[in-house]
Amino acid sequence: RKEVEQDPGPFNVPEGATVAFNCTYSNSASQSFFWYRQDCRKEPKLLMSVYSSGNEDGRFTAQLNRASQYISLLIRDSKLSDSATYLCVVHNAGNMLTFGGGTRLMVKP
Amino acid sequence: NAGVTQTPKFRVLKTGQSMTLLCAQDMNHEYMYWYRQDPGMGLRLIHYSVGEGTTAKGEVPDGYNVSRLKKQNFLLGLESAAPSQTSVYFCASSPSRGSGRSRLYEQFFGPGTRLTVL
Repeated sequence: RKEVEQDPGPFNVPEGATVAFNCTYSNSASQSFFWYRQDCRKEPKLLMSVYSSGNEDGRFTAQLNRASQYISLLIRDSKLSDSATYLCVVHNAGNMLTFGGGTRLMVKP
Repeated sequence: NAGVTQTPKFRVLKTGQSMTLLCAQDMNHEYMYWYRQDPGMGLRLIHYSVGEGTTAKGEVPDGYNVSRLKKQNFLLGLESAAPSQTSVYFCASSPSRGSGRSRLYEQFFGPGTRLTVL
C-alpha cells in the first residue's frame, strides 16, 4: 500500500464548478500536510498547508481528518488556470516529505 | 535571485553511459534533495543532504550517487545509465527552519531534467 494515495483522475469540470479531491495517508504519526500544485511539464510548487482546524485561501479550502487519515482540497468557482495536477504531501519526520501520485484537474470552458 | 536551477534541462544517454546532473540554489538552504518523477508514481526521493559534506539515501538510491561539496550545489551522478532510469529528475531545497508556520518544511523545486536512456 502506498503511503499517500490519490485518485489520479482526470477530473474534467466546467468553469465555475466546485471540485473536491481527497487523499489518504497510511502513517498515523504523520505530522504536517500540504497540497502542492504542478503544472504540465513544470516543477511542483506549494499551494497551501493543511491545518487540523481546516484552512481557506481564496477559492481553495483544505481539510484534515486525522481520525480517518485523509486530507481534502476543495476548489470553488473553478478557473481555466486551475488546470493542473494537485499533489497531496505528507511530512513525517525531519525535513522529509512524501508525495502522492497526484490528481489531475482539467477545467473546460 | 534564481532560486533552484538545474542543468541540463534535457539529456539522452545510451545504456552504460555516465552523467552528472547539477543542482544549484541561491537561498542559503541547508537541505537539498533529488527526486525522480515517473507517470503514476509521484515524486520519489533518491538521495538528500542535510548540510554541506553530508548525504543520505532516500527511497530509491540504487544506481545513483550524490555529492554536496558546497552548500549551494548538489550533484546527482549516474555511473552506468539504464533504461529504467529514464525519468524526470527534480532537485529541491528547503531551509532547516521555516520562516513561519505556513512555510515550515516547504521545499523549493528546480525546473527539472528530462533524461532518456536508450
